[in-house]
Amino acid sequence: DTGVSQDPRHKITKRGQNVTFRCDPISEHNRLYWYRQTLGQGPEFLTYFQNEAQLEKSRLLSDRFSAERPKGSFSTLEIQRTEQGDSAMYLCASSPVGSSGNTIYFGEGSWLTVV
Amino acid sequence: DQQVKQNSPSLSVQEGRISILNCDYTNSMFDYFLWYKKYPAEGPTFLISISSIKDKNEDGRFTVFLNKSAKHLSLHIVPSQPGDSAVYFCAATDNYGQNFVFGPGTRLSVLP
Repeated sequence: DTGVSQDPRHKITKRGQNVTFRCDPISEHNRLYWYRQTLGQGPEFLTYFQNEAQLEKSRLLSDRFSAERPKGSFSTLEIQRTEQGDSAMYLCASSPVGSSGNTIYFGEGSWLTVV
Repeated sequence: DQQVKQNSPSLSVQEGRISILNCDYTNSMFDYFLWYKKYPAEGPTFLISISSIKDKNEDGRFTVFLNKSAKHLSLHIVPSQPGDSAVYFCAATDNYGQNFVFGPGTRLSVLP
């Protein structure tokens, strides 16, 4: 399967703990996105990479959130000192650059529950 | 400020009939529009897209219509099938394809 892969699929953590999610994009896709989705809402943009460069960050991404894509391939999203309001599905997506670059393809998502 | 709106939270349609899902946007810089389908506990799946240079795009049972002057698009599903029951998200982006803005979704239920 060559789709976007996310790990773990589910994570339950206690408030105040740190969590990290990993995303492996579709091979050769230069662009990688992180979105967050809560119940009843559409996906909300968090941040975006082109290769290893983080080109845009949403105001939703507080200081407790950090994302990396060190070699321009997989990416990690870390949340420090988790809060109950961080409970959501974290979605990773990727897209190629070029004429077909205007479509993003999502992974299955990582569910985070903060208790 | 919601740049992409889907004003119907839910829609119920009889199997075999047409489903019409609507989407409105406010940002005139948007020029590429997409529809995604989402089942519970899964990521959104890309369905169909349309560029602002077109007013219609068709793919099998799915057709998207774009009315630029009204800043409105719609997704038609004909004929509707029970497997189409899901949440449908409208999304929009500008020419650079860097930021995709999603609507809140419409839950479609296709009744057998």
